Amino acid sequence: KAGVTQTPRYLIKTRGQQVTLSCSPISGHRSVSWYQQTPGQGLQFLFEYFSETQRNKGNFPGRFSGRQFSNSRSEMNVSTLELGDSALYLCASSLGGTANTEAFFGQGTRLTVV
Amino acid sequence: GDSVTQMEGPVTLSEEAFLTINCTYTATGYPSLFWYVQYPGEGLQLLLKATKADDKGSNKGFEATYRKETTSFHLEKGSVQVSDSAVYFCALIPRGGADGLTFGKGTHLIIQP
Repeated sequence: KAGVTQTPRYLIKTRGQQVTLSCSPISGHRSVSWYQQTPGQGLQFLFEYFSETQRNKGNFPGRFSGRQFSNSRSEMNVSTLELGDSALYLCASSLGGTANTEAFFGQGTRLTVV
Repeated sequence: GDSVTQMEGPVTLSEEAFLTINCTYTATGYPSLFWYVQYPGEGLQLLLKATKADDKGSNKGFEATYRKETTSFHLEKGSVQVSDSAVYFCALIPRGGADGLTFGKGTHLIIQP
């Protein structure tokens, strides 16, 4: 069975631009969570979507937003990019939400802001 | 808020050595606890988990026991292999799942032949 697919794998953007990252969860999974991984801050929770509704949100500015479609695919958008947004962005899918069911992670999208 | 503390390393061991990676946590209530592993260029894989006090999670020779009295979830393996070289993350999630998974900074493990 196919795993969690994140596209693109690598991205280079300029400060001030916006970016959209995509995550396709495992078939049948209704929950998608997003995490930011940086050398300094480690892994930090961005938000979780379940059945197209944002269920939980981490402590990130409003420039970070997301959505989930009816087929459970999710997108994450970052507007007005800053150098500090350079990171590996990981998506995780789970059957019924991370609190209750195992989270499966994708390989991530490495975003570089120059 | 919730937090997880673990040794960052790198931790370098010889093949067949005994491994311990310490993990302690701060959380309200009774969270579920996890160990994830990240191989180079890949995402995170769940290694093992425990959902209540005194539970022992185990997988691929790795073990960890949920110790409520010491708020710890130390990872152990009796005999490590070169293929165990990776970054290991301790994590927790509170009951109800608000705020998602909280991760430690990760421990880089290097096993030498």
